[in-house]
Amino acid sequence: DGGITQSPKYLFRKEGQNVTLSCEQNLNHDAMYWYRQDPGQGLRLIYYSQIVNDFQKGDIAEGYSVSREKKESFPLTVTSAQKNPTAFYLCASSIDILYNEQFFGPGTRLTVL
Amino acid sequence: QQPVQSPQAVILREGEDAVINCSSSKALYSVHWYRQKHGEAPVFLMILLKGGEQKGHDKISASFNEKKQQSSLYLTASQLSYSGTYFCGTEMRGGATNKLIFGTGTLLAVQP
Repeated sequence: DGGITQSPKYLFRKEGQNVTLSCEQNLNHDAMYWYRQDPGQGLRLIYYSQIVNDFQKGDIAEGYSVSREKKESFPLTVTSAQKNPTAFYLCASSIDILYNEQFFGPGTRLTVL
Repeated sequence: QQPVQSPQAVILREGEDAVINCSSSKALYSVHWYRQKHGEAPVFLMILLKGGEQKGHDKISASFNEKKQQSSLYLTASQLSYSGTYFCGTEMRGGATNKLIFGTGTLLAVQP
């Protein structure tokens, strides 16, 4: 079955540690996205990628980094520079960047202790 | 730039209707609608690409008023399965248009 997988579902880290969240899709989509979701704030875009080896900052990129070395994979690293990293992180993909449905993964809930 | 959704929350009885609005301060290319159930990923409902466009499936439909820079989602004869948080996502004209900006969501609770 085609879809998007994110792992792990729950993640706990100590303050000051970097952590990488995995996102893999087998939908053959060109575009991929990372969103952060906090209660009452909806979905906020962290980074997005239109094609392999290319990505752009979203609205809240500070303290995060990404890579897009393969079409299927778009990992997100939450660095120690992110002031308030505890949140629900959602990865999504679409056929291309414009006017297309985004398919979301199940999300990773990150808690920094 | 974040679109404003209203109401923030609504409680319905099964069979009642609801309207969720999404307004932008800037001109829009398109409006997307998604529904998210608690603890799950958002699920796509529909995209409206043209001013005046209306779409729907089952008893959920939407309209896009380009001049007013707003979209409305209509839920008719609501069912328990309609419960969740509804988000609009907007692509704006001018600047970087190749990304969605989501509203803060409308929580819909349908009771028996």
